[in-house]
Amino acid sequence: DIQMTQSPSTLSASVGDRVTITCRASQSISNWLAWYQQKPGKAPTLLIYRASNLESGVPSRFSGSGSGTEFTLTISSLQPDDFATYHCQQYKSYSFSFAQGTKLEIK
Amino acid sequence: VQLVQSGAEVKKPGASVNVSCKASANAFTTYYIHWVRQAPGQGLEWMGIINPTAGSLTYAQEFQGRLTMTTDSSTSTVYMELTSLRFDDTAVYYCARGGIISSATSAFDIWGQGTMVTVSS
Repeated sequence: DIQMTQSPSTLSASVGDRVTITCRASQSISNWLAWYQQKPGKAPTLLIYRASNLESGVPSRFSGSGSGTEFTLTISSLQPDDFATYHCQQYKSYSFSFAQGTKLEIK
Repeated sequence: VQLVQSGAEVKKPGASVNVSCKASANAFTTYYIHWVRQAPGQGLEWMGIINPTAGSLTYAQEFQGRLTMTTDSSTSTVYMELTSLRFDDTAVYYCARGGIISSATSAFDIWGQGTMVTVSS
C-alpha cells in the first residue's frame, strides 16, 4: 500500500499569512493527489484534485503543486475561514490512502 | 447532488452496525461510492469502494472479513455493515462520491454528513 505523510502536523499562522503544507507519498503517484479541508464536526470538502486543479467554487488563494512523491498546498493570504484541518489523499491505487492531516491554527 | 446518511448508533463490543447512505438517482447510477471513517481526533481512513450499478467492490485489507458493502438500487441507497465491533471502531463513518463508473481514479467530491458510531459496553 502507498503511505502518505504530511508536515507539519500543526501550523500556527495569522490572517494574511502565506502558508504551505507538504504531503509526501511512499512511492510515485504521478499527480493522483487531492487536498481536502475539514472543519470541526463537518465532513471534508474537496479543494484540489490532480495535484493542482482547483475544485469549482474554491477561492483562488488556494493552490496545489507537485508530482511523483512530493506535493504542496499553498494558501496565499490566510482568511479567517481558512483555519481548519487539511488532508491530502492519493488515489493512484486502490488503497485511496490519506495522510494524518495538518491542523491550521490561529497564532 | 447529495448523500444523506443514517443517524448515530451506539453498539456493544462484538455487535454489528449498519450505516446507510442515500444518494440522488444520478449520483447513484453513475459514480462509485466510498466509505471513509475518522476516529475521534484522528485522520481519515479509507475503508472500501463499491460500484452501485454492478455491485463490484474492493475493501481495505484491514477490514477484510468484517466489512460488507451492499446496494439497493430501488432506493438509491448504499449500505455499510461492520461486524465484530471493537472499542477502536468508535468513529464517524462517511460515504463519499468517487469517480464515474468508467474510471475509479478520482477524488471524492461529495460527502455524506457522517454517522457517529460509538462502541461502548
